[in-house]
Amino acid sequence: EAQVTQNPRYLITVTGKKLTVTCSQNMNHEYMSWYRQDPGLGLRQIYYSMNVEVTDKGDVPEGYKVSRKEKRNFPLILESPSPNQTSLYFCASANRGLGEKLFFGSGTQLSVL
Amino acid sequence: AQSVAQPEDQVNVAEGNPLTVKCTYSVSGNPYLFWYVQYPNRGLQFLLKYITGDNLVKGSYGFEAEFNKSQTSFHLKKPSALVSDSALYFCAVRATSGTYKYIFGTGTRLKVLA
Repeated sequence: EAQVTQNPRYLITVTGKKLTVTCSQNMNHEYMSWYRQDPGLGLRQIYYSMNVEVTDKGDVPEGYKVSRKEKRNFPLILESPSPNQTSLYFCASANRGLGEKLFFGSGTQLSVL
Repeated sequence: AQSVAQPEDQVNVAEGNPLTVKCTYSVSGNPYLFWYVQYPNRGLQFLLKYITGDNLVKGSYGFEAEFNKSQTSFHLKKPSALVSDSALYFCAVRATSGTYKYIFGTGTRLKVLA
């Protein structure tokens, strides 16, 4: 089954403790992206990647890191999480064309205390 | 700069009545436009898209959307709402040149009342 898999689904952590949210897709998509969803603000793009070893900042990249060492994986790293990073996070992937639809993971609800 | 506006936080409609969820956009060049739906505790699912051609686009679950270039709008419609259509709906735009970013609206919560 074609899917985007994110882990974990829920995560509670404390300020400053490094964490990684994993994302994997099995559709051989070139494009992958991370979003955060906050009430009243919709989805905002954090980082995206057009291919292996190619990443670029979205609208809200501060406090986040990503890497794209393999085509299928695109982990999101929070080196020193802060409470303002408490949010619902989504990973998405798509084929390269501009008209291609995004496939979304089920989301990761992160709480930073 | 690219932007998407969904002017209504919530839309209420009675079951069986037609529904409209509004979306306007601002983008340089020609837009690629999308609608996604989010059910509780789920990721977003693709509903439909406009790339080029016919201004009326048909999508999943009986939804359709009308592209209006002069009004820079892409409103989502359905002739007869179902209670199961209750969800959060997002409009998104992507420019046909330059950035590969998808820009999303803030979302509209649709409530269909039995």
